[in-house]
Formats: sequence, structure tokens, C-alpha cells
Amino acid sequence: GAGVSQSPSNKVTEKGKDVELRCDPISGHTALYWYRQSLGQGLEFLIYFQGNSAPDKSGLPSDRFSAERTGGSVSTLTIQRTQQEDSAVYLCASSLLGRETYEQYFGPGTRLTVT
Amino acid sequence: SQQGEEDPQALSIQEGENATMNCSYKTSINNLQWYRQNSGRGLVHLILIRSNEREKHSGRLRVTLDTSKKSSSLLITASRAADTASYFCATESGGSYIPTFGRGTSLIVHP
Repeated sequence: GAGVSQSPSNKVTEKGKDVELRCDPISGHTALYWYRQSLGQGLEFLIYFQGNSAPDKSGLPSDRFSAERTGGSVSTLTIQRTQQEDSAVYLCASSLLGRETYEQYFGPGTRLTVT
Repeated sequence: SQQGEEDPQALSIQEGENATMNCSYKTSINNLQWYRQNSGRGLVHLILIRSNEREKHSGRLRVTLDTSKKSSSLLITASRAADTASYFCATESGGSYIPTFGRGTSLIVHP
């Protein structure tokens, strides 16, 4: 079946512009995660959705970052007034959610470059 | 903050050799997962081991978990050039449902 998809795959933007990143999770996966990965680094947790609600937004680095999820499916991560330090690969993952933790399925990521 | 930390940061071996990577963590966990990442893109799940398990196998992969030492190891036997990738451990604690990833081990397998 179809995996997690993300768009765009690459985005180059000028400092100060807003960007929207999109994630389409696997159908039926109730949990959705956004991570950020800078060059050669590990994954930095940003936000987690359970259904349409976000019980944990603790990873969002500043109030310029926001995310929403509608219909328990597609999620968008918005970065306002982008800064050069926002340049990174933004990864989305989805998983089933129940009494146990299930493996996460990752999308290919969006590489964001802020010039 | 990182919960799991992989060791070594980088590993370079010849094809056919075994590769061992370690992950240490600080707090009690429910489970630990290993993922592989090629070319800085999406991660692929390899193995999940629960806190009450000590060893799991999947093909050429063997994962061990020692909760008393708060550590896990990933062994890749008979490595291939295609195993070249970054390997990450991810731990989940409490009821968070949010795996915390380490910085990864970069493995290079020379043909």
C-alpha cells in the first residue's frame, strides 16, 4: 500500500518568507509525528498528533512554528518568517496507536533551505 | 534532549565483516527501536524490542537489550555494501508514545 508521503520534496525560500510543509500519513494511522533533522544530526522531535489533537507541542522551537491536522489525516507544518537556522530536513512519520507502541513509518522528508 | 545515544558515531568496515552498534539510555523504557536511514532521508524501521525481552533476530540483524545496564546493541552479520547507512536507536518511556532518537551511528561498508 501507499506509504507516508511528504511535499514538497525540496523547498528553497528566502529569509522572512512563510512556508508550508505537507504530510500524508498512511491511511488508518492515528498517530502522526513531525521531526527536524539538521545535517549530520539526530532527529529533533517537533510535535505529535493523536487524531486531530496535538497532546504534545513541546518540541516546537518557537512561536513561528505551528502545525495542524485535519480529518485525522493530512497534516501541515507551517513556519512563519523563516530564518536560516530553520534549514533542515523535516520528516513526518505515522503509526498505529493503541495500548502498545507500534513502529513508525517515515516519509521521505522535505529538505528546506532558507537563503 | 537525546535519551538514546549511539556508539560509535562512525564505523567503517569491509564487506563480510560484522558490525556492532550500541545504544545507551538514561531512564527506564517501555521499548527500544532501531531504524536505518539512507542518504539523509526517511527512516526505515528495523526492529522493536520490548523492555521484557532480551534478544531479537531479524535476518542478519540481532538486537540485544540489557535493562540493568540501560543499553542495547545492534549486530549486523556478514555486512554488505548496501548496509551503508546511518543507524538510530529510539526509546519510548512511560506513556508518551513519542520515541526519542539518538544522534545515530554512521556505518560505511566497503566492497
